[in-house]
Amino acid sequence: KQEVTQIPAALSVPEGENLVLNCSFTDSAIYNLQWFRQDPGKGLTSLLLIQSSQREQTSGRLNASLDKSSGRSTLYIAASQPGDSATYLCAFQGAQKLVFGQGTRLTINP
Amino acid sequence: ETGVTQSPTHLIKTRGQQVTLRCSSQSGHNTVSWYQQALGQGPQFIFQYYREEENGRGNFPPRFSGLQFPNYSSELNVNALELDDSALYLCASSLSGNYGYTFGSGTRLTVV
Repeated sequence: KQEVTQIPAALSVPEGENLVLNCSFTDSAIYNLQWFRQDPGKGLTSLLLIQSSQREQTSGRLNASLDKSSGRSTLYIAASQPGDSATYLCAFQGAQKLVFGQGTRLTINP
Repeated sequence: ETGVTQSPTHLIKTRGQQVTLRCSSQSGHNTVSWYQQALGQGPQFIFQYYREEENGRGNFPPRFSGLQFPNYSSELNVNALELDDSALYLCASSLSGNYGYTFGSGTRLTVV
């Protein structure tokens, strides 16, 4: 069974800190891995897409890495801001579908 | 380019009724998929359509069905609604291949 685990389930940090969110998956035969942000009651906003041949992607203060051999991905957020507060979901693309973790609920305190 | 749009945004139905949710794909995308997200959980894959044919299905009963139209828009139909069907339903479109998915804002369905 394909599974995705995200650790921690929740995280609360003061503004300005650098932080790392972790994602592990059981299927090494992934096509790509995608990180999303979800605000309460809203849809998913794509943050970063790492294709299977890549090892990392960067966008602004965000950096995501992918290690297929160990089945792990990390999302690094630099200089966190209160506006970064949201739930962060990772998902790997298997055949015809995305498999999601349960997310990390992030709170950045001013 | 326009993103993925879903309608309606909120819906309340009675147990046993039927519901249709709609989705317009992002321009240029030829694949659409649907996900169910219960409160506090990650989205679960329902099914995917490519060229108007279902080409992948998750662990959902047959009362969940769908359509994809020639313009790549899509519908999700749920018959005989149950209380556990209450969730956020998300539509995603993509271009076949390894290009990632774009999600809509979702439809919040409440079954009472």
